[in-house]
Amino acid sequence: NAGVTQTPKFQVLKTGQSMTLQCAQDMNHNSMYWYRQDPGMGLRLIYYSASEGTTDKGEVPNGYNVSRLNKREFSLRLESAAPSQTSVYFCASSAHYEQYFGPGTRLTVT
Amino acid sequence: AQSVSQHNHHVILSEAASLELGCNYSYGGTVNLFWYVQYPGQHLQLLLKYFSGDPLVKGIKGFEAEFIKSKFSFNLRKPSVQWSDTAEYFCAVILYNFNKFYFGSGTKLNVKP
Repeated sequence: NAGVTQTPKFQVLKTGQSMTLQCAQDMNHNSMYWYRQDPGMGLRLIYYSASEGTTDKGEVPNGYNVSRLNKREFSLRLESAAPSQTSVYFCASSAHYEQYFGPGTRLTVT
Repeated sequence: AQSVSQHNHHVILSEAASLELGCNYSYGGTVNLFWYVQYPGQHLQLLLKYFSGDPLVKGIKGFEAEFIKSKFSFNLRKPSVQWSDTAEYFCAVILYNFNKFYFGSGTKLNVKP
């Protein structure tokens, strides 16, 4: 079992560029999440998906979109990247109130 | 809005010292509580969890936490820290029957050898 995988691990974008962060889990979990981690602010929820076909906004959804492609995959899209979106992005899946995290994507927007 | 507060942002200890990290949450209903640890350059890993029952829960690597419902607290403790405990620690709460997790801002622990 790979658990939760994320691609890419690192990415540098210029302001205005778009990109999609990929996340996949092989634990057959219904719930999946996208967080961003910034120094001194902990993890902030961007979007989550309680089950295949559903998505909901978290604390900081502005500037992001998500797609729950199937039960395994949950992608995060930045349509027009801004320097304020420089962060480390973590995907997680959950079952029985426990979360399992991916290794993260470090994104820099210049 | 629900919130999780970790009042210690940065803690520096010497090896063998005792550790207590505070966590308070704001929600009056049933909650499940967690502590996660993030070692430098790594992703978050579950340290311990409380769902119900004995309010004193034990986790991995000698960590424990006590749930005090009247104080809305879930403090993390370890009697004797090691250099390898240097990491960032996050408290998290999920409301019963909901899907959203709420994380504290984290506490960075530096243990001096």
